[in-house]
Amino acid sequence: QLQLQESGPGLVKPSETLSLTCAVSGGSIGSSYSYWGWIRQSPGKGLEWIGNIYYSGTTYYHPSLKTRVTISVDTSKNQFSLKLSSVTAADSAVYYCTNTRGVVYFFDYWGQGTLVTVSS
Amino acid sequence: EIVLTQSPGTLSLSPGERATLSCRASQIVAGNFLAWYQQKPGQAPRLLIYDTSTRATGIPDRFRGSGSGTDFTLTISRLEPEDFAVFYCQHYGSSPQAFGGGTKVEIK
Repeated sequence: QLQLQESGPGLVKPSETLSLTCAVSGGSIGSSYSYWGWIRQSPGKGLEWIGNIYYSGTTYYHPSLKTRVTISVDTSKNQFSLKLSSVTAADSAVYYCTNTRGVVYFFDYWGQGTLVTVSS
Repeated sequence: EIVLTQSPGTLSLSPGERATLSCRASQIVAGNFLAWYQQKPGQAPRLLIYDTSTRATGIPDRFRGSGSGTDFTLTISRLEPEDFAVFYCQHYGSSPQAFGGGTKVEIK
């Protein structure tokens, strides 16, 4: 059974870069037809897709975030990461890492989520 | 971008009753690629239904998805105590995929 676990700082200062990592267990990040990604959830914006990455490194980002988002994969560690730059309070949310079978697809595996607060 | 609007915002029902949740899209959802999720407090969303009407693995048959085009429905035939939660729809017929705002099903 595939399991995903997010990790990273719970508090980030405004204008800095939010960095999170998702460790994958129970499966290989290099599996065919596996896309790894991030979704966030906040009271104000609800559930919001951030982006996906294929193990080869090809990335797909939400248009509203693409200038600030970088998703990368580390196949040697079986993990992938999210970086969101120039954060503001509006980026405060629970961040989930996900697994899906396509660039645009439903999400059948989710991490437990990690709360990130942007505050000075 | 397709915007999904869910209604009602809150549904107050008793165990054993039928729940009908609506998800309306601002444009036609290509392929009727629409999914439903259930989320309980402190947990990640759990996939219930995909491709409008296909139940995910392990999902009981009291959950039924239907609809096409811009109007979709999740029906829970007889509410069990563990069903009370927030439900979200998600389209994945085009990019960017997006979620609705959710419907909370609470115990009356």
